[in-house]
Amino acid sequence: GGIITQTPKFLIGQEGQKLTLKCQQNFNHDTMYWYRQDSGKGLRLIYYSITENDLQKGDLSEGYDASREKKSSFSLTVTSAQKNEMAVFLCASSIRTGYAEQFFGPGTRLTVL
Amino acid sequence: AQSVTQPDARVTVSEGASLQLRCKYSYSATPYLFWYVQYPRQGLQLLLKYYSGDPVVQGVNSFEAEFSKSNSSFHLQKASVHWSDSAVYFCALSRSNYQLIWGSGTKLIIKP
Repeated sequence: GGIITQTPKFLIGQEGQKLTLKCQQNFNHDTMYWYRQDSGKGLRLIYYSITENDLQKGDLSEGYDASREKKSSFSLTVTSAQKNEMAVFLCASSIRTGYAEQFFGPGTRLTVL
Repeated sequence: AQSVTQPDARVTVSEGASLQLRCKYSYSATPYLFWYVQYPRQGLQLLLKYYSGDPVVQGVNSFEAEFSKSNSSFHLQKASVHWSDSAVYFCALSRSNYQLIWGSGTKLIIKP
């Protein structure tokens, strides 16, 4: 088995601030994902990385940057936090195949004041 | 268009009763389907998956799901629910490009 760790668990920022969320996995998976989850809604894909040197935009990439520092870590940056924004950001990983199940971290809860 | 629909935002059942959570999909190719569960303040955990073969798939905690190509459905079922099953359940469909299409989730409430 393995585990996905997300830091921080809670993130409070100011409007316009640049905020960074981090994700680490020890599954030795090639592929990693960042999702945004708004209350009462499904997951929306922000960025994903198929392998260590790859970066792909999802449907919700505007306003975000991502970085795959190494195989085990994947960071997400909110480039300019929006006031009253509140969401949970979930990191996931999978083996490198288009149909694989994804394993999720516990999430980072973002609040923007 | 590719989509996953979970028509019930909330489902309430009594403890010990049977359960069905509905999932309908729209996808032109062979679907790869998943059910995930999200307990409060936690990430998502895989309950079961369907890739091919027997349309009834077994998952963890006595959950099962039945794939129907004719009805474009993948409903989740459990014969007898426990209070610990209270959670949000998500149905998802895998596209071949690493991306999952997610339903909006169904919140399951268990009455004592």
